[in-house]
Amino acid sequence: GENVEQHPSTLSVQEGDSAVIKCTYSDSASNYFPWYKQELGKRPQLIIDIRSNVGEKKDQRIAVTLNKTAKHFSLHITETQPEDSAVYFCAASYDKIIFGKGTRLHILP
Amino acid sequence: DTEVTQTPKHLVMGMTNKKSLKCEQHMGHRAMYWYKQKAKKPPELMFVYSYEKLSINESVPSRFSPECPNSSLLNLHLHALQPEDSALYLCASSDGQGSQPQHFGDGTRLSIL
Repeated sequence: GENVEQHPSTLSVQEGDSAVIKCTYSDSASNYFPWYKQELGKRPQLIIDIRSNVGEKKDQRIAVTLNKTAKHFSLHITETQPEDSAVYFCAASYDKIIFGKGTRLHILP
Repeated sequence: DTEVTQTPKHLVMGMTNKKSLKCEQHMGHRAMYWYKQKAKKPPELMFVYSYEKLSINESVPSRFSPECPNSSLLNLHLHALQPEDSALYLCASSDGQGSQPQHFGDGTRLSIL
């Protein structure tokens, strides 16, 4: 079955700097890669996603890249703000979504 | 606004009780999901319904019993739960099963005494 590895588990960045979270997946059949943000005590919220026929996608300060050959995908957040502090989950999907273990992002003032 | 509504928000029950969790969506989605989430862990898939039929059961113990009465509703019936079943139970829906964005409800926080 699919296995998704996510790094780092914790990330602290200065406000205004960029944050990068990296994931790898094992099943070459996976064709959809969503990223979820979960604030403490709240539901996971989809922030961006990418399909396997696309290499990069951007939405304002958030971008995701996908390297199908290497089975790597990454989340990039630029100009980080305090409200970006949360846990971020990457995921890979074919018939069901498999989540990575999560990255706790701290934005330092 | 949350487009997937879950009730109750909190539930405390004893190990011999029977209770049900409810989930409702009005987005016309044809796939609905139950996940279990423990603290500081990712959501863990339990069940998938596609077009009101059970599509995936991730080897969940029989003390959890899902039901999909219609395309908008999803229930999770609970009976004889164990303390380790205490967790946040999340419902989600998507336009189709698999490679589609899933929209999550706020969850039911379940505590087993």
